Amino acid sequence: DGGITQSPKYLFRKEGQNVTLSCEQNLNHDAMYWYRQDPGQGLRLIYYSQIVNDFQKGDIAEGYSVSREKKESFPLTVTSAQKNPTAFYLCASSIPASGPSGANVLTFGAGSRLTVL
Amino acid sequence: DQQVKQNSPSLSVQEGRISILNCDYTNSMFDYFLWYKKYPAEGPTFLISISSIKDKNEDGRFTVFLNKSAKHLSLHIVPSQPGDSAVYFCAARAGGTSYGKLTFGQGTILTVHP
Repeated sequence: DGGITQSPKYLFRKEGQNVTLSCEQNLNHDAMYWYRQDPGQGLRLIYYSQIVNDFQKGDIAEGYSVSREKKESFPLTVTSAQKNPTAFYLCASSIPASGPSGANVLTFGAGSRLTVL
Repeated sequence: DQQVKQNSPSLSVQEGRISILNCDYTNSMFDYFLWYKKYPAEGPTFLISISSIKDKNEDGRFTVFLNKSAKHLSLHIVPSQPGDSAVYFCAARAGGTSYGKLTFGQGTILTVHP
């Protein structure tokens, strides 16, 4: 079955450490996204990539970095510069919308919960 | 600046009754709206969407209504079932790009009581 695999599901980090969250998709989608979920704040966009070797900052990119070397993979690194990294991280992917009124449906992975100790 | 707002953090409904979840937006450039459903510790799953050229879209028990003049949309679930208990997110896409990144609301926790 096609889908998005995020790993690890749970991750603990000490302050000052960088950690990398994995996201792999076998849906052949061009675009991939990273969102962060905090209680009461919904989902906020960290980074997105529309094509291999290209990515753009989202609304809360500070303290995060990404790479897109392969179409299937979009890893997210949470650096020590991120002041409040404890959150639920969601990776998603999509295909282009079929015209101005077409759907732009994101398919999400199951998420990774990062806790800073 | 919260461009998509879901002002009700939670909603409690009896099984069989109608659930109405509301969403307001401020950005006039939004041209497509989606509702996602999320269970704890899982990723959101797509539920239903509506283009800004329509005012209603229906899919089984789920209907989304769009009022562009009021910048308001709502999701109606009829009849509500206990399995509908989840967090519901409203999301919007700005026009002008095929890959429009989505802006999400804060979510509404729906609880359907048997």
